[in-house]
Amino acid sequence: QKEVEQDPGPLSVPEGAIVSLNCTYSNSAFQYFMWYRQYSRKGPELLMYTYSSGNKEDGRFTAQVDKSSKYISLFIRDSQPSDSATYLCAAQGTGAGSYQLTFGKGTKLSVIP
Amino acid sequence: DTGVSQDPRHKITKRGQNVTFRCDPISEHNRLYWYRQTLGQGPEFLTYFQNEAQLEKSRLLSDRFSAERPKGSFSTLEIQRTEQGDSAMYLCASSLVDPQETQYFGPGTRLLVL
Repeated sequence: QKEVEQDPGPLSVPEGAIVSLNCTYSNSAFQYFMWYRQYSRKGPELLMYTYSSGNKEDGRFTAQVDKSSKYISLFIRDSQPSDSATYLCAAQGTGAGSYQLTFGKGTKLSVIP
Repeated sequence: DTGVSQDPRHKITKRGQNVTFRCDPISEHNRLYWYRQTLGQGPEFLTYFQNEAQLEKSRLLSDRFSAERPKGSFSTLEIQRTEQGDSAMYLCASSLVDPQETQYFGPGTRLLVL
């Protein structure tokens, strides 16, 4: 079992829809959680960064972490065709030896005009 | 452009050849990371530097792989005697030493081994 699990999709939604992307993780030492967006043949771009449990909102994006269930979510409101990309969740521990990010497989999202 | 840069962006080589990739991090970042990403997978950690010291290596980093960061600025990743299984996107990221340690990624070097 991978430490971070993510449904690879693909996920296709109409423009304007609310998108929900999810990951689960198994390592209780993970404290920091990120969402990256990756366009085809490009490097990952940081979207959201959260520490421990709770919600964080940035414009149309909301990241949610529930440490009790080891569940990470990203919501995209009023989705746009430009949101079409692969979304990667990632987790990180703390302390020495924990600087690496552990990624899910990524979910490929298409927003249809 | 003040982001992470990588060179070359694409590399095609024949099996058995050596290849070297370069990464230039964001200038004030003293941590530098290498990841590998294969098709349909998320990036997987390879190694990381704090300044010029290589502090952690993944077991994915076989003896054919070597990374350096000689002056604590740019880094190189060399793969010797390339194999077809080395075909992947090689990603570099950098971060500050701060509690959040946000990692910013470069555009990647796409390697194809024939």
